[in-house]
Amino acid sequence: DGGITQSPKYLFRKEGQNVTLSCEQNLNHDAMYWYRQDPGQGLRLIYYSQIVNDFQKGDIAEGYSVSREKKESFPLTVTSAQKNPTAFYLCASSGGGITKTYNEQFFGPGTRLTVL
Amino acid sequence: GENVEQHPSTLSVQEGDSAVIKCTYSDSASNYFPWYKQELGKRPQLIIDIRSNVGEKKDQRIAVTLNKTAKHFSLHITETQPEDSAVYFCAALTNNAGGTSYGKLTFGQGTILTVHP
Repeated sequence: DGGITQSPKYLFRKEGQNVTLSCEQNLNHDAMYWYRQDPGQGLRLIYYSQIVNDFQKGDIAEGYSVSREKKESFPLTVTSAQKNPTAFYLCASSGGGITKTYNEQFFGPGTRLTVL
Repeated sequence: GENVEQHPSTLSVQEGDSAVIKCTYSDSASNYFPWYKQELGKRPQLIIDIRSNVGEKKDQRIAVTLNKTAKHFSLHITETQPEDSAVYFCAALTNNAGGTSYGKLTFGQGTILTVHP
């Protein structure tokens, strides 16, 4: 699990501001994912990327944007268009690499975003 | 798209008892079913998984069963211990059409398991 990192651990944002959450993996995994977790809820998929320079919307993509310019990095931007951004954000990766797994997703430690 | 329902939402057992958590899924194309354990404020950790060509898998005190016909799968924990207390999530993976897609996971709502000493 040490192979996937997220920063910062806590993030505070004023209404109307965009913020970017970092996700880096050194597992050499092909695919990366962003999930949102609200209290008492399961994980909901925001965006995912199967390969560099390509990504797809998940179930709740509105108000978020991503990029995948490098295999090891998949930053998530929470825009001012996201109406209720306060949540716990989890990044994950899967696919080959040093874990030699295929479907298993490995999660980062998460970023807790609070809108003030 | 896929829809995963998980029950119960909370489960309280005495140490040493067994615990069972059940999930149903809607998409018959789903072919991989992991279970994650998440402690408070921490990342989810995979505890066991099963593929659609297998009916049961066991790893020490943990087992998972899959019924493809009925589209449901269950997590069984025997001889529960206080350190098993956590939130457990089931998930179902559906592969996109073609290529080397790693698919999308759809998660259940989670079960808060409390094991009383």
